Amino acid sequence: DTEVTQTPKHLVMGMTNKKSLKCEQHMGHRAMYWYKQKAKKPPELMFVYSYEKLSINESVPSRFSPECPNSSLLNLHLHALQPEDSALYLCASSQETGSQGTQYFGPGTRLLVL
Amino acid sequence: AQTVTQSQPEMSVQEAETVTLSCTYDTSENNYYLFWYKQPPSRQMILVIRQEAYKQQNATENRFSVNFQKAAKSFSLKISDSQLGDTAMYFCAFEYGQNFVFGPGTRLSVLP
Repeated sequence: DTEVTQTPKHLVMGMTNKKSLKCEQHMGHRAMYWYKQKAKKPPELMFVYSYEKLSINESVPSRFSPECPNSSLLNLHLHALQPEDSALYLCASSQETGSQGTQYFGPGTRLLVL
Repeated sequence: AQTVTQSQPEMSVQEAETVTLSCTYDTSENNYYLFWYKQPPSRQMILVIRQEAYKQQNATENRFSVNFQKAAKSFSLKISDSQLGDTAMYFCAFEYGQNFVFGPGTRLSVLP
């Protein structure tokens, strides 16, 4: 099973709302990732978790707060977002970080901030 | 820092024909991974093919094959017998350590 699931599929939120994106994988992978993808652009790495510890934060604003409750779950908490944060948010997982290869992507959450 | 370049923003090919997508990258590392990912319109990003830099043999997956030229830092994707379902955005990607970098993408349209 090479499936990464993400919920919700679509999310509309106001700039004062607090919401969370969820990602789950059951492949036994120990690395999980959040990406942001704008239309017609490649994904941009936001965060990397390795063995449930945050290992990379690509200078993401604090209104995005990741959380890794266990090895299968990855959340992205959203608060006080701006309209320019509207994008497709992709979660991915891989066996390990560090040149271990393939990342498997979820279908994404399409976020619209009003 | 590693960079990945895809010089063809858009390409089209007739169904059943062959098309080659270009990718070049810049790195000072010796052992790394290269990937081609496919993202159909409004659909999930999926892996097409991967290549370990220490392997000289070019990777193949059914109708998809790569031409990996390590010295030239080139990693092109050949799609044979193109099918309508191959219509998608194709991203070349590079991985070394925790550094995973995507190219800007090539939008491929397969025409009936």
